[in-house]
Amino acid sequence: AQSVTQLDSQVPVFEEAPVELRCNYSSSVSVYLFWYVQYPNQGLQLLLKYLSGSTLVKGINGFEAEFNKSQTSFHLRKPSVHISDTAEYFCAVSVRRGFKTIFGAGTRLFVKA
Amino acid sequence: GAVVSQHPSRVICKSGTSVKIECRSLDFQATTMFWYRQFPKQSLMLMATSNEGSKATYEQGVEKDKFLINHASLTLSTLTVTSAHPEDSSFYICSALPIGSYEQYFGPGTRLTVT
Repeated sequence: AQSVTQLDSQVPVFEEAPVELRCNYSSSVSVYLFWYVQYPNQGLQLLLKYLSGSTLVKGINGFEAEFNKSQTSFHLRKPSVHISDTAEYFCAVSVRRGFKTIFGAGTRLFVKA
Repeated sequence: GAVVSQHPSRVICKSGTSVKIECRSLDFQATTMFWYRQFPKQSLMLMATSNEGSKATYEQGVEKDKFLINHASLTLSTLTVTSAHPEDSSFYICSALPIGSYEQYFGPGTRLTVT
């Protein structure tokens, strides 16, 4: 079975500062990895995904993530955050196309002025 | 981009009644749709996987007779909460997987409140 651990439940950061949201996963087989963002009372929006190939993945809104197989991690980073980045961020894993996706508990990013 | 809609966005019902939530893929076909439940300040919990033309696959602990799922076409899946109780109050989110894609698209969610 697969599992996802988001190490920080909340991350406060000042505007224009860099941020890293941590995600570790557990799986005995190869996985697909995703980061989603959720704004209050809304569905999820895909930020980026890793399927194969380059381990550094760039997504929307200036976010990027690096897949590290040896450390089973997929941390999300942004060099300079904005107030509008305040939201809930979910890391997720899936083992193959069409199969169910397992979500982490989420990290609340709070950007302060 | 691919759009998924949910209807209604918000519903309040009385205890003991049934509520139907619709999930539609507006500009693509999806043989697979997923239904999730999200409690306040918590992650998404997968309830079931809905496959067009076949029975849904429910996750452990989810009552299939209480949460009825129908995936009658390649663009529509419905979740019916039968005999709703206050503990069923939650945010229900669906997602749809376009045919041949690795990426699922999420609906905006439905806030169910049972009084």
